[in-house]
Amino acid sequence: EAQVTQNPRYLITVTGKKLTVTCSQNMNHEYMSWYRQDPGLGLRQIYYSMNVEVTDKGDVPEGYKVSRKEKRNFPLILESPSPNQTSLYFCASSLWIRDYEQYFGPGTRLTVT
Amino acid sequence: AQSVTQLDSHVSVSEGTPVLLRCNYSSSYSPSLFWYVQHPNKGLQLLLKYTSAATLVKGINGFEAEFKKSETSFHLTKPSAHMSDAAEYFCVVSDSGGGTYKYIFGTGTRLKVLA
Repeated sequence: EAQVTQNPRYLITVTGKKLTVTCSQNMNHEYMSWYRQDPGLGLRQIYYSMNVEVTDKGDVPEGYKVSRKEKRNFPLILESPSPNQTSLYFCASSLWIRDYEQYFGPGTRLTVT
Repeated sequence: AQSVTQLDSHVSVSEGTPVLLRCNYSSSYSPSLFWYVQHPNKGLQLLLKYTSAATLVKGINGFEAEFKKSETSFHLTKPSAHMSDAAEYFCVVSDSGGGTYKYIFGTGTRLKVLA
């Protein structure tokens, strides 16, 4: 089954404790992306990747890192989480940009206390 | 830079009546536009997309949208609402000019369907 998977689905952590949210897709997609969803703000793009070792900032990259060492995986790293990073996070992938539909993972709900 | 404005944060309709969710975009060139739906506690699913072919686009579950360049609009409609349509809807524009390759989401419209 074609899908985007994220782990963990729920995470409660404390300020400053490094964490990684994994994302994997099995559709051989070139483009992958991370979003955060906050009430009233819609989804905002954090980082995206056009291919292995090619990443770029979205609209809200501060406090986040990403890497793309394999085509299927695109982990999101919070090196020193803060309470303002409490949010619902979605990973997505698409065959390419512009005309192509994005496929979304199920989401990761992160709480930073 | 591209941007998307969803004109209503909440819309309520009665079951069986038409649905209209409004979306305006700004773009310096021909955009690609999408509507996604998010049911409560679920991920996002594509409803339909416009990619410079037909201006009237049909999607899943009876939804359609019309691209109007002169009005910079891409409103989502459905002739008859069903209870299962209650969800949040996002209008999205693909921003792939000037060396960036982003997707820009609107802030969402929550649709409530009354019995």
